[in-house]
Amino acid sequence: AQSVTQLGSHVSVSEGALVLLRCNYSSSVPPYLFWYVQYPNQGLQLLLKYTSAATLVKGINGFEAEFKKSETSFHLTKPSAHMSDAAEYFCVVSLSYNTDKLIFGTGTRLQVFP
Amino acid sequence: DVKVTQSSRYLVKRTGEKVFLECVQDMDHENMFWYRQDPGLGLRLIYFSYDVKMKEKGDIPEGYSVSREKKERFSLILESASTNQTSMYLCASSIIPNWDASTDTQYFGPGTRLTVL
Repeated sequence: AQSVTQLGSHVSVSEGALVLLRCNYSSSVPPYLFWYVQYPNQGLQLLLKYTSAATLVKGINGFEAEFKKSETSFHLTKPSAHMSDAAEYFCVVSLSYNTDKLIFGTGTRLQVFP
Repeated sequence: DVKVTQSSRYLVKRTGEKVFLECVQDMDHENMFWYRQDPGLGLRLIYFSYDVKMKEKGDIPEGYSVSREKKERFSLILESASTNQTSMYLCASSIIPNWDASTDTQYFGPGTRLTVL
């Protein structure tokens, strides 16, 4: 069965600092992996996804994530945090042949301080 | 742009009431989903639908039912609301691009925050 674990329910960084949100997955078949973001009072939107092409995936708003099979990880990073990045971030895994069944992590709330 | 709309942003109901949450998508998507979002639990799938009048149970269907009479509309029904159904409810839709999962994406509505007193 697929699952994801997000390390840290809350992460705080200063504006301009590196953002690192951690995600580890377990899957018995090659996974598809996603990061979704939820801004305050909004629905979720797709940030980026890994679908077995390049292991380094670039998403919107300067975020990127690297798929590391040996570490079963898919950590999300951004070199320099902006105040507008404050949101909740969800790591998501699905079966590689059907992304309609998504398994969500518990979420990490990112706070950015001036 | 794909748009998924939900009928209410905030809803307050009393225990035992029948509650309808409505979701509409404007992109002719085949699939529609209902999730609930609770702090520390992420999103959990309640029901989903692959086509009109088709529905399948998700991970936590107990206490809920759904209706899909038209392709663009997917309703979540709480037959007799209880306090443990107080939550944020999110609707989503996606295409079935011939099982080319690399191009599929779920699009989410803004959510309905339901409080059951």
